[in-house]
Amino acid sequence: AQSVTQPDIHITVSEGASLELRCNYSYGATPYLFWYVQSPGQGLQLLLKYFSGDTLVQGIKGFEAEFKRSQSSFNLRKPSVHWSDAAEYFCAVGAGTNAGKSTFGDGTTLTVKP
Amino acid sequence: DVKVTQSSRYLVKRTGEKVFLECVQDMDHENMFWYRQDPGLGLRLIYFSYDVKMKEKGDIPEGYSVSREKKERFSLILESASTNQTSMYLCASLAVNSYEQYFGPGTRLTVT
Repeated sequence: AQSVTQPDIHITVSEGASLELRCNYSYGATPYLFWYVQSPGQGLQLLLKYFSGDTLVQGIKGFEAEFKRSQSSFNLRKPSVHWSDAAEYFCAVGAGTNAGKSTFGDGTTLTVKP
Repeated sequence: DVKVTQSSRYLVKRTGEKVFLECVQDMDHENMFWYRQDPGLGLRLIYFSYDVKMKEKGDIPEGYSVSREKKERFSLILESASTNQTSMYLCASLAVNSYEQYFGPGTRLTVT
């Protein structure tokens, strides 16, 4: 069975600084990988996804993520954080024919300092 | 735009009550999911449904049941609510061509 680890529970960055949120997965083959964002009081929204092909994927709101098979990682990045990026971020992995049934990490809460 | 709606944003129920949480999606998606979200535990899958009247247990189905009588509606049922079921409940539907899950805003359930 697949699993996901988000090592950082909480990250604080200053507005305008760069951001990297870590995600490590466990699965024997190439997984389907997702990053979702949850603003306070809201449901989750998809930021980006990786299925195959180019290992650097672009998403909405200026986010990107890089799939590194050798490190079993799918880290989320943004070059310059805005105050509105403060939210909780979830990495998720789906696998094989059951890709619709994803396993989610525990989430990373991002705080943005003015 | 895909829309997933949940019947209540906040709900307070007493121990032992039967609780219904309703979820409706408007994109004709076949797959729908119920998750519970607790601090530090991420999202845990309770049940999912891949077609009308079809359901499958997720990771934490105990104490819950589901109903899918129509394609657009997926209900979560707590037969006898307990305090340890106090949580945020999220419903989602899946676009099979992109594997993107579309989430509702959530229902925060408190059982007293």
